[in-house]
Amino acid sequence: GIQVEQSPPDLILQEGANSTLRCNFSDSVNNLQWFHQNPWGQLINLFYIPSGTKQNGRLSATTVATERYSLLYISSSQTTDSGVYFCAVTGFQKLVFGTGTRLLVSP
Amino acid sequence: DAGVIQSPRHEVTEMGQEVTLRCKPISGHDYLFWYRQTMMRGLELLIYFNNNVPIDDSGMPEDRFSAKMPNASFSTLKIQPSEPRDSAVYFCASSLNRGMNTEAFFGQGTRLTVV
Repeated sequence: GIQVEQSPPDLILQEGANSTLRCNFSDSVNNLQWFHQNPWGQLINLFYIPSGTKQNGRLSATTVATERYSLLYISSSQTTDSGVYFCAVTGFQKLVFGTGTRLLVSP
Repeated sequence: DAGVIQSPRHEVTEMGQEVTLRCKPISGHDYLFWYRQTMMRGLELLIYFNNNVPIDDSGMPEDRFSAKMPNASFSTLKIQPSEPRDSAVYFCASSLNRGMNTEAFFGQGTRLTVV
């Protein structure tokens, strides 16, 4: 099956810093999603991005499907950005998750 | 739409008891997924349905687990008998198939503790 790898596994930032999270996947995919799991355990949809670039406020994402990777950019990080960021890809309807990047933003 | 609704939010049960988790997908969505999240294994797909029909249950850990979708607006995941190693957060998700492009939305999860 499809393998999804995320890096880095852990990230500690000072409030206001920028960061880039990476997601690599092993095979062609039909879509890709980024999620934020907040400290309460909720999985929040950030981006649905099978290809190209999207922006939503301080967050943006880019997927280069031909090279099998996606990047999530967080600018001017805030403490509320803390949590785990997951990349998930769909080969044939099955959404497969990466192991996540755990982000801690300190004040 | 209210999103994917799961119940209960928390469940504590004794080993050997039957546990039933419930999910109401987003109205109009034709795919429904059950996931389990643990520290050791991360987010694992247990089973998914398309138009109420189970498509792939290869992630179901063993015969103690069963899932049903009697209609488009309701699904259950049952564990009988439950064991302490079943303790985890169970998520339900749904999506709408638009060709090969779909976006999945998750419920708030059920935190199951088996003592």
